Amino acid sequence: DQQVKQNSPSLSVQEGRISILNCDYTNSMFDYFLWYKKYPAEGPTFLISISSIKDKNEDGRFTVFLNKSAKHLSLHIVPSQPGDSAVYFCAASPRRGGSQGNLIFGKGTKLSVKP
Amino acid sequence: KAGVTQTPRYLIKTRGQQVTLSCSPISGHRSVSWYQQTPGQGLQFLFEYFSETQRNKGNFPGRFSGRQFSNSRSEMNVSTLELGDSALYLCASRPGSFTGELFFGEGSRLTVL
Repeated sequence: DQQVKQNSPSLSVQEGRISILNCDYTNSMFDYFLWYKKYPAEGPTFLISISSIKDKNEDGRFTVFLNKSAKHLSLHIVPSQPGDSAVYFCAASPRRGGSQGNLIFGKGTKLSVKP
Repeated sequence: KAGVTQTPRYLIKTRGQQVTLSCSPISGHRSVSWYQQTPGQGLQFLFEYFSETQRNKGNFPGRFSGRQFSNSRSEMNVSTLELGDSALYLCASRPGSFTGELFFGEGSRLTVL
């Protein structure tokens, strides 16, 4: 039973355009959400996070939106660059207070940004 | 500041053997978590250690175990290896038990033949 779902295994976008990666979750107890990026042969690196008390968090070209009623979050990358090509994982923390050691990850979306 | 270091990076074992993987967290980080990554299941939480105590454990059989030492370094062990244990094992650290995002190592790629 997948609690965090990334329904698109892959996404291809033209350089300069917007990339939108989606994530759905089922557990209403999740209160902290994170996005990680992973290049081949490297470990995941933290990208951006959002608490359940917010509906938007922005960091440079990256913005995460949270829709609690729909149990849905999305990551927007604007403008997309070829260096953004990687696998993006959505993750959720199942504890109140933001404990992040026990993260539930989605299966990832492979983003390809074409020049 | 050195990142999370995992050894070995690659290893091949046969069914029935056991394996020990090592993780050195970022200096000053006291929490270490382990994850298993497979193509079919994505990243799955194995366990988390803080100050030498296991704080959380994922839904894995008892063949998977771990420990943390007083210097925060951690090891995980898998006994009686099965073909399905072939995966990338990722270690992550963070400063405290309830603060900070996870910093991942590059992983140990285990192949079971």
